[in-house]
Amino acid sequence: ETGVTQTPRHLVMGMTNKKSLKCEQHLGHNAMYWYKQSAKKPLELMFVYNFKEQTENNSVPSRFSPECPNSSHLFLHLHTLQPEDSALYLCASSQEGAVGETQYFGPGTRLLVL
Amino acid sequence: SQKIEQNSEALNIQEGKTATLTCNYTNYSPAYLQWYRQDPGRGPVFLLLIRENEKEKRKERLKVTFDTTLKQSLFHITASQPADSATYLCALVNNAGNMLTFGGGTRLMVKP
Repeated sequence: ETGVTQTPRHLVMGMTNKKSLKCEQHLGHNAMYWYKQSAKKPLELMFVYNFKEQTENNSVPSRFSPECPNSSHLFLHLHTLQPEDSALYLCASSQEGAVGETQYFGPGTRLLVL
Repeated sequence: SQKIEQNSEALNIQEGKTATLTCNYTNYSPAYLQWYRQDPGRGPVFLLLIRENEKEKRKERLKVTFDTTLKQSLFHITASQPADSATYLCALVNNAGNMLTFGGGTRLMVKP
């Protein structure tokens, strides 16, 4: 185990649903990240939070809404998604949020949008 | 912008042989480069980091090289085992220096 947990592990939702993904890290890190991994494509960084403040939004559509209530928890709120949003959503954390720092990933949430 | 190229075709090798995976980048040379392992249905796991002033880095059966002239990193697994079968990703800092960018990964299959 990497010390980063994600729930749920699998999620099926319709395009009109609202759901949330949860990530928790037990490593005492100060930075947390959301990535999207689609089939046959590289990992795509979505959001970065450093000391609970969002520092990067990598041109992500507004139907994805992150929330970071504290340094240990990160949420990704989903609403009115499209089928092309189906992917593995990975959460990661790192010690200080320095660029290029080693990142520790959770197991991911496999999302299917119907 | 920086592009990271990893062989998208799976690499099949026999147990006991050395596996060599390639990571090429197209633009500036990053200060450091990382390698991760990803198993199906799981998140990537950090393996090694190599800095631009390091030509080679080793960890147990793993060896990474970094050639800034060729703009290439090689990842070697010696005495490969079936348990080494996974997808291996390289990652480096992007042009703007504000995020880690991952390659598409190469799938390694080690046959007994």
